[in-house]
Amino acid sequence: AQSVTQLGSHVSVSEGALVLLRCNYSSSVPPYLFWYVQYPNQGLQLLLKYTSAATLVKGINGFEAEFKKSETSFHLTKPSAHMSDAAEYFCAVSRMDSSYKLIFGSGTRLLVRP
Amino acid sequence: DAGVIQSPRHEVTEMGQEVTLRCKPISGHDYLFWYRQTMMRGLELLIYFNNNVPIDDSGMPEDRFSAKMPNASFSTLKIQPSEPRDSAVYFCASSSRQGGAAFFGQGTRLTVV
Repeated sequence: AQSVTQLGSHVSVSEGALVLLRCNYSSSVPPYLFWYVQYPNQGLQLLLKYTSAATLVKGINGFEAEFKKSETSFHLTKPSAHMSDAAEYFCAVSRMDSSYKLIFGSGTRLLVRP
Repeated sequence: DAGVIQSPRHEVTEMGQEVTLRCKPISGHDYLFWYRQTMMRGLELLIYFNNNVPIDDSGMPEDRFSAKMPNASFSTLKIQPSEPRDSAVYFCASSSRQGGAAFFGQGTRLTVV
Protein backbone atom coordinates (compact mmCIF):
# COMPACT_ATOMS: atom_id res chain seq x y z
CA ALA A 1 0.00 0.00 0.00
CA GLN A 2 1.18 3.52 -0.62
CA SER A 3 1.29 6.37 1.88
CA VAL A 4 2.46 9.95 2.20
CA THR A 5 4.03 11.77 5.13
CA GLN A 6 4.18 15.54 5.25
CA LEU A 7 6.57 16.87 7.86
CA GLY A 8 5.27 19.92 9.67
CA SER A 9 1.59 20.71 9.91
CA HIS A 10 2.44 24.43 9.86
CA VAL A 11 5.27 26.27 8.15
CA SER A 12 5.81 30.01 8.59
CA VAL A 13 8.03 32.09 6.32
CA SER A 14 8.59 35.77 5.68
CA GLU A 15 7.49 37.31 2.41
CA GLY A 16 10.34 36.91 -0.06
CA ALA A 17 11.89 33.96 1.75
CA LEU A 18 12.36 30.45 0.43
CA VAL A 19 9.42 28.10 0.79
CA LEU A 20 10.20 24.42 1.50
CA LEU A 21 7.39 21.97 2.20
CA ARG A 22 8.44 18.39 2.83
CA CYS A 23 6.84 15.22 1.52
CA ASN A 24 8.03 11.63 1.83
CA TYR A 25 6.21 8.76 0.23
CA SER A 26 6.01 5.01 0.53
CA SER A 27 5.07 2.88 -2.44
CA SER A 28 5.83 -0.70 -3.40
CA VAL A 29 5.75 0.21 -7.09
CA PRO A 30 6.92 3.33 -8.95
CA PRO A 31 4.68 6.18 -7.91
CA TYR A 32 2.96 9.11 -9.46
CA LEU A 33 3.31 12.12 -7.13
CA PHE A 34 1.32 15.33 -6.91
CA TRP A 35 1.16 18.58 -5.00
CA TYR A 36 -2.16 20.33 -4.51
CA VAL A 37 -3.05 23.67 -2.91
CA GLN A 38 -6.26 24.46 -1.05
CA TYR A 39 -7.44 27.99 -0.30
CA PRO A 40 -10.10 28.53 2.38
CA ASN A 41 -13.52 27.17 1.49
CA GLN A 42 -12.34 25.91 -1.87
CA GLY A 43 -11.49 22.61 -3.49
CA LEU A 44 -8.01 21.36 -4.16
CA GLN A 45 -6.10 22.77 -7.10
CA LEU A 46 -3.26 20.93 -8.82
CA LEU A 47 0.13 22.64 -8.48
CA LEU A 48 2.30 20.05 -10.22
CA LYS A 49 2.74 16.35 -10.88
CA TYR A 50 5.51 13.79 -11.36
CA THR A 51 4.77 10.93 -13.73
CA SER A 52 8.23 9.43 -14.39
CA ALA A 53 9.49 11.97 -16.88
CA ALA A 54 11.85 14.67 -15.58
CA THR A 55 12.68 14.41 -11.88
CA LEU A 56 12.49 18.18 -11.44
CA VAL A 57 8.93 19.27 -12.03
CA LYS A 58 7.81 22.85 -12.47
CA GLY A 59 4.30 23.89 -11.59
CA ILE A 60 2.09 26.90 -11.42
CA ASN A 61 2.73 30.04 -9.36
CA GLY A 62 6.51 29.52 -9.38
CA PHE A 63 6.49 26.26 -7.43
CA GLU A 64 8.64 23.27 -8.26
CA ALA A 65 9.36 19.86 -6.77
CA GLU A 66 12.12 17.31 -7.17
CA PHE A 67 11.58 13.56 -7.15
CA LYS A 68 14.38 11.80 -5.28
CA LYS A 69 13.94 8.05 -5.40
CA SER A 70 16.86 7.34 -3.06
CA GLU A 71 15.27 9.53 -0.39
CA THR A 72 11.66 8.66 -1.28
CA SER A 73 10.99 12.38 -1.22
CA PHE A 74 9.10 14.92 -3.30
CA HIS A 75 9.64 18.25 -1.54
CA LEU A 76 7.93 21.40 -2.79
CA THR A 77 9.88 24.63 -3.10
CA LYS A 78 9.46 28.21 -4.20
CA PRO A 79 12.37 30.69 -4.20
CA SER A 80 10.41 33.68 -2.93
CA ALA A 81 7.17 33.55 -0.97
CA HIS A 82 4.27 35.88 -1.71
CA MET A 83 1.44 36.74 0.64
CA SER A 84 -0.93 35.06 -1.82
CA ASP A 85 0.87 31.71 -1.26
CA ALA A 86 -0.70 31.38 2.18
CA ALA A 87 -2.83 28.25 1.95
CA GLU A 88 -2.81 24.56 2.78
CA TYR A 89 -0.67 22.28 0.65
CA PHE A 90 -1.19 18.58 0.14
CA CYS A 91 1.15 15.97 -1.24
CA ALA A 92 -0.45 12.91 -2.86
CA VAL A 93 0.68 9.58 -4.31
CA SER A 94 -0.78 7.00 -6.63
CA ARG A 95 0.64 3.90 -8.23
CA MET A 96 2.04 3.34 -11.71
CA ASP A 97 0.03 0.21 -12.17
CA SER A 98 -3.58 -0.75 -12.53
CA SER A 99 -4.39 0.10 -8.92
CA TYR A 100 -4.93 3.81 -9.32
CA LYS A 101 -5.66 4.97 -5.77
CA LEU A 102 -4.84 8.59 -5.01
CA ILE A 103 -3.81 8.98 -1.37
CA PHE A 104 -3.16 12.33 0.32
CA GLY A 105 -0.87 13.43 3.10
CA SER A 106 -2.17 15.29 6.14
CA GLY A 107 -1.39 18.70 4.69
CA THR A 108 0.89 21.60 5.59
CA ARG A 109 -0.49 25.05 6.27
CA LEU A 110 1.80 27.74 4.91
CA LEU A 111 1.77 31.08 6.71
CA VAL A 112 3.48 34.06 5.05
CA ARG A 113 4.52 36.94 7.31
CA PRO A 114 4.73 40.46 5.88
CA ASP B 1 -15.16 22.85 -19.46
CA ALA B 2 -17.06 23.68 -16.28
CA GLY B 3 -14.92 21.38 -14.15
CA VAL B 4 -16.23 18.96 -11.56
CA ILE B 5 -19.62 20.10 -10.32
CA GLN B 6 -20.92 19.18 -6.91
CA SER B 7 -24.29 19.88 -5.38
CA PRO B 8 -25.40 21.10 -3.00
CA ARG B 9 -22.56 23.35 -1.77
CA HIS B 10 -23.97 23.35 1.73
CA GLU B 11 -26.32 20.93 3.44
CA VAL B 12 -27.70 21.12 6.94
CA THR B 13 -29.77 18.19 8.08
CA GLU B 14 -31.05 16.60 11.23
CA MET B 15 -29.62 13.43 12.66
CA GLY B 16 -31.35 10.39 11.22
CA GLN B 17 -32.22 11.98 7.92
CA GLU B 18 -31.03 10.70 4.56
CA VAL B 19 -28.49 12.87 2.74
CA THR B 20 -27.58 12.62 -0.93
CA LEU B 21 -24.56 14.38 -2.37
CA ARG B 22 -24.20 14.71 -6.12
CA CYS B 23 -21.29 14.96 -8.50
CA LYS B 24 -20.87 15.56 -12.21
CA PRO B 25 -17.32 14.72 -13.33
CA ILE B 26 -15.43 16.34 -16.16
CA SER B 27 -16.60 14.97 -19.48
CA GLY B 28 -14.29 12.22 -20.76
CA HIS B 29 -12.80 11.40 -17.38
CA ASP B 30 -13.02 7.74 -16.50
CA TYR B 31 -12.02 7.83 -12.83
CA LEU B 32 -14.18 9.35 -10.10
CA PHE B 33 -13.24 9.73 -6.44
CA TRP B 34 -15.16 10.64 -3.31
CA TYR B 35 -13.19 12.15 -0.41
CA ARG B 36 -14.14 13.37 3.03
CA GLN B 37 -12.20 16.17 4.74
CA THR B 38 -12.26 16.86 8.46
CA MET B 39 -9.91 18.65 10.80
CA MET B 40 -9.23 15.47 12.76
CA ARG B 41 -8.74 13.00 9.93
CA GLY B 42 -7.69 15.16 7.00
CA LEU B 43 -8.55 13.99 3.47
CA GLU B 44 -9.86 10.44 3.40
CA LEU B 45 -10.56 8.51 0.22
CA LEU B 46 -13.98 6.93 0.62
CA ILE B 47 -14.47 5.18 -2.70
CA TYR B 48 -13.39 5.42 -6.32
CA PHE B 49 -14.84 4.29 -9.63
CA ASN B 50 -13.30 3.41 -12.96
CA ASN B 51 -15.61 3.45 -15.97
CA ASN B 52 -18.60 3.65 -13.60
CA VAL B 53 -17.55 0.51 -11.70
CA PRO B 54 -16.60 0.78 -7.99
CA ILE B 55 -12.99 -0.32 -7.65
CA ASP B 56 -12.20 0.25 -4.00
CA ASP B 57 -14.71 1.13 -1.30
CA SER B 58 -12.50 0.21 1.63
CA GLY B 59 -12.61 3.81 2.86
CA MET B 60 -16.37 3.90 3.28
CA PRO B 61 -16.74 4.22 7.04
CA GLU B 62 -19.95 2.27 7.61
CA ASP B 63 -22.86 0.61 5.89
CA ARG B 64 -24.72 3.87 6.30
CA PHE B 65 -22.63 5.19 3.43
CA SER B 66 -23.25 4.14 -0.16
CA ALA B 67 -22.13 5.45 -3.53
CA LYS B 68 -23.34 4.89 -7.05
CA MET B 69 -22.32 5.88 -10.52
CA PRO B 70 -25.18 5.03 -12.86
CA ASN B 71 -23.48 6.61 -15.86
CA ALA B 72 -20.29 8.39 -16.85
CA SER B 73 -21.63 11.83 -16.03
CA PHE B 74 -23.18 11.38 -12.62
CA SER B 75 -22.41 9.96 -9.20
CA THR B 76 -24.07 10.10 -5.80
CA LEU B 77 -22.89 9.58 -2.25
CA LYS B 78 -25.68 8.75 0.15
CA ILE B 79 -25.69 8.66 3.93
CA GLN B 80 -28.64 6.98 5.58
CA PRO B 81 -29.22 7.59 8.42
CA SER B 82 -26.96 10.59 8.99
CA GLU B 83 -25.18 11.24 12.29
CA PRO B 84 -23.47 14.35 13.71
CA ARG B 85 -20.05 12.72 13.25
CA ASP B 86 -20.66 12.67 9.50
CA SER B 87 -20.30 16.45 9.46
CA ALA B 88 -17.45 17.23 7.08
CA VAL B 89 -16.65 18.59 3.65
CA TYR B 90 -17.16 15.97 0.96
CA PHE B 91 -15.20 16.31 -2.25
CA CYS B 92 -15.68 14.66 -5.59
CA ALA B 93 -12.78 14.48 -8.04
CA SER B 94 -12.27 13.03 -11.50
CA SER B 95 -9.30 12.01 -13.60
CA SER B 96 -8.84 11.19 -17.25
CA ARG B 97 -6.45 8.26 -17.10
CA GLN B 98 -4.23 6.27 -14.88
CA GLY B 99 -1.60 8.52 -13.39
CA GLY B 100 -3.33 11.66 -14.49
CA ALA B 101 -4.03 14.38 -12.00
CA ALA B 102 -7.40 14.42 -10.28
CA PHE B 103 -9.49 17.56 -10.59
CA PHE B 104 -11.63 18.50 -7.62
CA GLY B 105 -15.05 20.00 -7.22
CA GLN B 106 -15.74 22.80 -4.76
CA GLY B 107 -17.04 20.36 -2.17
CA THR B 108 -20.23 19.95 -0.18
CA ARG B 109 -20.12 21.14 3.41
CA LEU B 110 -22.39 18.80 5.36
CA THR B 111 -23.60 19.66 8.84
CA VAL B 112 -25.66 17.11 10.74
CA VAL B 113 -27.36 18.53 13.83
